[in-house]
Amino acid sequence: AQRVTQPEKLLSVFKGAPVELKCNYSYSGSPELFWYVQYSRQRLQLLLRHISRESIKGFTADLNKGETSFHLKKPFAQEEDSAMYYCALCDTDKLIFGTGTRLQVFP
Amino acid sequence: NAGVMQNPRHLVRRRGQEARLRCSPMKGHSHVYWYRQLPEEGLKFMVYLQKENIIDESGMPKERFSAEFPKEGPSILRIQQVVRGDSAAYFCASSPPRPGAEAFFGQGTRLTVV
Repeated sequence: AQRVTQPEKLLSVFKGAPVELKCNYSYSGSPELFWYVQYSRQRLQLLLRHISRESIKGFTADLNKGETSFHLKKPFAQEEDSAMYYCALCDTDKLIFGTGTRLQVFP
Repeated sequence: NAGVMQNPRHLVRRRGQEARLRCSPMKGHSHVYWYRQLPEEGLKFMVYLQKENIIDESGMPKERFSAEFPKEGPSILRIQQVVRGDSAAYFCASSPPRPGAEAFFGQGTRLTVV
């Protein structure tokens, strides 16, 4: 079955520390993966997708098919990165979301 | 472009009443998706619609739930005879008719059944 797993509900780091938000997936086929972010009182928005292989706001994510992972990384966290982060998998015409990880960046 | 608009933002219904949630997609977007987020869970796909057509309703509960996206006007998610377990945040997203296009989300409607 198609599934996205985000094992951490909460990740707390200090400003300037590296961040890695974990995402593992289960998908029979070639997956298309995304990271979405929801800042406080704002709507869910696309952060990045694996096919574009770009860095957004300093975040990167590499698809590792061997480990079925798509972890989100940033070398130096900023306070404004504090938000809910959702990993998602595109299955035909819909997105399958993980349960989300709340990132808290302390000053 | 005002973005995807959902209303109301908050809706309180008594058990047994009907709930109607509205979603106006972004201009030029003909694809609409509804997701539900239960407490402590991720967003779960419910239904995918194009104008006047339901394309995929595999995530819709079999009873009491229905969705439409008429030729004119917003998409409507309708829940009849609501129960406490329907309390959740309901999100709508829209995308243009282009393969692989990004879906943009609304701010959601929080339904509380009392």
